[in-house]
This record gives sequence, structure tokens and C-alpha cells, in this order.
Amino acid sequence: DAKTTQPTSMDCAEGRAANLPCNHSTISGNEYVYWYRQIHSQGPQYIIHGLKNNETNEMASLIITEDRKSSTLILPHATLRDTAVYYCIVRVYGSSNTGKLIFGQGTTLQVKP
Amino acid sequence: NAGVTQTPKFQVLKTGQSMTLQCAQDMNHNSMYWYRQDPGMGLRLIYYSASEGTTDKGEVPNGYNVSRLNKREFSLRLESAAPSQTSVYFCASSWTSGGANQGFFGPGTRLTVL
Repeated sequence: DAKTTQPTSMDCAEGRAANLPCNHSTISGNEYVYWYRQIHSQGPQYIIHGLKNNETNEMASLIITEDRKSSTLILPHATLRDTAVYYCIVRVYGSSNTGKLIFGQGTTLQVKP
Repeated sequence: NAGVTQTPKFQVLKTGQSMTLQCAQDMNHNSMYWYRQDPGMGLRLIYYSASEGTTDKGEVPNGYNVSRLNKREFSLRLESAAPSQTSVYFCASSWTSGGANQGFFGPGTRLTVL
């Protein structure tokens, strides 16, 4: 699985959009980008995933660059409850995927009032 | 639908003691995983079971054994606990064949080895 690079920490004002970047320059053509978050030492929570098109769900949006070497997770209106560690992971999708996730250090997002 | 459950929630052991961490899921998932998370660190994969009857080593398997008891249950055993195994242990499950394979995680077991 490709390695990812994320900033160690970021701040965001409550109510503003939080934009979390991730670099994955060695991503392969069959690897997807997944985002998870971990709130205060709870178990990680799945947020969103994508291949090359931008994706949106009820939690967030995922923007993947055309060359797929980087992506950005967007929380459109951050709240204090979004304060968490955010993990960007790339891995193969589909039947050849054992499902295992390899976590990096993640980005600690602090949402401030 | 409880999702992924883990027992116990907290445990304190003395060096050399043994214990088994239990994990169960009720989502009919094929795959199950054990991770550990040390303070200030990301999660590291200890062992995983892609399907019932199979287990494989992850990034940090030394000092641990696992048993996939049935499709629902996946246990992690520490035969002789060491202080270096003080950590938070998370169990997860997911589908294997096809699909997003997004993992669902349990609440964790906080283990301290003195």
C-alpha cells in the first residue's frame, strides 16, 4: 500500500471549512484514498473514500487531484465535535483487498470556538 | 445491532501474566483485525483474519497469538505480558470480497502491564 504524508496538526475556526491535505505521490492505479478519523481515543470512524472523482457524503467531501498524487478532505462547516485525528490511507479496492488498513500518524485537527 | 464489541474495556496485568482479549461482531463480516495504539501514535496492525479459518501476521505480531473462533469472534492472546505491550487495543471487522472494505472499529481495550 502506498505511503501517505499529512501535516501533523491544523487549527480551524468553528463554522468554517476545514481542509485537510494528504500527499500520496506513489499511489497505484488500483488504489483508493480512504479517510478515517479518531475522536479522543475512540475507535477510528470511516469518513469517505474515492478513486479519482471528487466524492461527497453527509460527513465530508473528498477532492483528488487529476494526477492522483494528493487529495484534500473538506469538512464544510467544522464544529467542536470534529476535533479529532484524521487519517489518510491508500489501499486496493475490491476482491483482492484483504481489508487491512495501514495507518500513518494522521493530522490532529483542533476546531476552536 | 451492536457492531464490534470488545471485552474487557480495561485491564491491568503484571509482567509475565497472560490474558485473552475478546472481540465479536454482528455484521456478518468476513474479515477481522487486531490493532494496537501506543500513546500519541497511529494504529499498528497486529494480526488479521481475512476469512474464517485463516489468520495472518500484520506489522507487529511478536508476543501475540490470535484465534478466529468462528465468523463472529476473533481473540487476541498475550502469553507472557511485557510492559512494552501497554497500549490500547482495537478490534475491527470488514467485508473482504469486493466493495469498499471500510473497517468498523470497536471501542478498544486499555491494557497496562506493570
